Amino acid sequence: QKEVEQNSGPLSVPEGAIASLNCTYSDRGSQSFFWYRQYSGKSPELIMFIYSNGDKEDGRFTAQLNKASQYVSLLIRDSQPSDSATYLCAVRVNYQLIWGAGTKLIIKP
Amino acid sequence: EAEVAQSPRYKITEKSQAVAFWCDPISGHATLYWYRQILGQGPELLVQFQDESVVDDSQLPKDRFSAERLKGVDSTLKIQPAELGDSAMYLCASSSRLLAGGQDTQYFGPGTRLTVL
Repeated sequence: QKEVEQNSGPLSVPEGAIASLNCTYSDRGSQSFFWYRQYSGKSPELIMFIYSNGDKEDGRFTAQLNKASQYVSLLIRDSQPSDSATYLCAVRVNYQLIWGAGTKLIIKP
Repeated sequence: EAEVAQSPRYKITEKSQAVAFWCDPISGHATLYWYRQILGQGPELLVQFQDESVVDDSQLPKDRFSAERLKGVDSTLKIQPAELGDSAMYLCASSSRLLAGGQDTQYFGPGTRLTVL
């Protein structure tokens, strides 16, 4: 069974620090990897996706993919209180998008 | 900016009643998804359309749920009869086209919060 695992948290990070969120997946055939942010009571919004090994940067966000170890991570630099949310990892295998349960991130001022 | 539209935003109903949700995807998006999300969990795919055809409805409780996308544009999800366990957020998402392993990204509407009493 295809699985995507995330630590549910909450992960508490001081304002201005780097927040590191991790996601592991079970299917070696996984091809694309997505990070979504979800504020309480709202719908998920796309932060970024990655499909090649290595790092991909977009502003304060960096996604890191290691297919050999089957994990993908999201780094948030200079964390702000507005980054407090649940972060969902989603993994595409062929036509399916498999979702993790999310990690709750709290940025403390 | 193009958005996925959903209505209603909130719905309160009693057990055994019928409810319906509507979704209008981003213009030109061929693929449409209905998800259910329970608090503290990730989205659970209920049904996926490519144009007007169902691609995946393996997790749709077909005894009470139905979905249609007759003209390949907007879509309706219906529950009849509603049960207490159906209380959740119902999310609609769309993407440009379904590609095996592709990087087509899903964009979500605001969701419908359903409460069954």
